[in-house]
Amino acid sequence: DAGVIQSPRHEVTEMGQEVTLRCKPISGHNSLFWYRQTMMRGLELLIYFNNNVPIDDSGMPEDRFSAKMPNASFSTLKIQPSEPRDSAVYFCASSLVAGGPNEQYFGPGTRLTVT
Amino acid sequence: QKEVEQNSGPLSVPEGAIASLNCTYSDRGSQSFFWYRQYSGKSPELIMFIYSNGDKEDGRFTAQLNKASQYVSLLIRDSQPSDSATYLCAVLSGTYKYIFGTGTRLKVLA
Repeated sequence: DAGVIQSPRHEVTEMGQEVTLRCKPISGHNSLFWYRQTMMRGLELLIYFNNNVPIDDSGMPEDRFSAKMPNASFSTLKIQPSEPRDSAVYFCASSLVAGGPNEQYFGPGTRLTVT
Repeated sequence: QKEVEQNSGPLSVPEGAIASLNCTYSDRGSQSFFWYRQYSGKSPELIMFIYSNGDKEDGRFTAQLNKASQYVSLLIRDSQPSDSATYLCAVLSGTYKYIFGTGTRLKVLA
């Protein structure tokens, strides 16, 4: 299995531009998580999908952020318009089911820099 | 706000020594606890989880849980330079929400 796939691996954009991050979870996993990691705040959960349905988006910082999961094998996180404070590493993770001993498998991350 | 606290380090230990990493959490109702290792520039990977009070051993790693005191620790025996990484403590809040600490950076000196 290829593991969780994220693209792009690096993104540099100017303030005000739209940014779209992509994720392909591990086949058969029905839980998908988007996280943001910064030095100051660590790893924060942005949104959680179960069976392609958004269950908890309380971690999405503001309306500029949106996420979709149109099918079991693809999810996007969009920031529009982007701001310098959005600069961070964004991870997608998937698991067979959420919680308990079910391991979350993290993708390689997308390092976003907004100038 | 439910929190997970870790000392940011760096924690420096000589090769072959025991590294002790600690974590405290605020949600007394938490039942599941995890330790992730993250190498610089890489993604977190799960190394241990623990649910019950006491110790859980896996190879060179031992996780310790004390729910009364709300702390979790990770011991790494016979530390190797390859263990140098950031160790993230995570607490499961509810059924799906993992709350992560900001991590402790471990440096094992050869």
